Amino acid sequence: DTEVTQTPKHLVMGMTNKKSLKCEQHMGHRAMYWYKQKAKKPPELMFVYSYEKLSINESVPSRFSPECPNSSLLNLHLHALQPEDSALYLCASSQLGLRTDTQYFGPGTRLTVL
Amino acid sequence: ILNVEQSPQSLHVQEGDSTNFTCSFPSSNFYALHWYRWETAKSPEALFVMTLNGDEKKKGRISATLNTKEGYSYLYIKGSQPEDSATYLCAFIVDRGSTLGRLYFGRGTQLTVWP
Repeated sequence: DTEVTQTPKHLVMGMTNKKSLKCEQHMGHRAMYWYKQKAKKPPELMFVYSYEKLSINESVPSRFSPECPNSSLLNLHLHALQPEDSALYLCASSQLGLRTDTQYFGPGTRLTVL
Repeated sequence: ILNVEQSPQSLHVQEGDSTNFTCSFPSSNFYALHWYRWETAKSPEALFVMTLNGDEKKKGRISATLNTKEGYSYLYIKGSQPEDSATYLCAFIVDRGSTLGRLYFGRGTQLTVWP
């Protein structure tokens, strides 16, 4: 099973709301990633967790708060977002987080901030 | 921010045609190149991870080559089928900084294969 699941598929939220995105994998992978893709742009890395520890934060604003409660689960907590944060949020996982490891992606959560 | 360019931006071919497209990346500090295939409303699907200059990889009718000295990779599809319609993304990994897999993506080539 090489599936990464993400919920919800779509999310609409106001600027004062608090919501969370969820990502799950059961491949025993020890690295998990959040990417953001805005329209007509390539996906951009936001965070990397390695062995459940935050290892890379690409200078993401604090209104995005990642969490890795266990090796299978990755959350992205959202608070006080701006309309320009509307994007597709992709989660990925890889075996050990090495640079030659294949990253397996979920289908993404389409977020709209009103 | 690393510049990864893909061309053409979009491509329309007839079923049975063979096609190819290009990924260009900085030739300095190269570590690896990943290719992905992304169908609309689905998850990006990994095709290849390439590391060595002169590497050639093949998966069915899809193959890829790598030239790290001049900073490009070609993806070839032989005898395109409608189910090959997708966006093909390349992603570059740099040999500096973190040893973790930080992918820098190109914008992709959108392929449409007409029956």
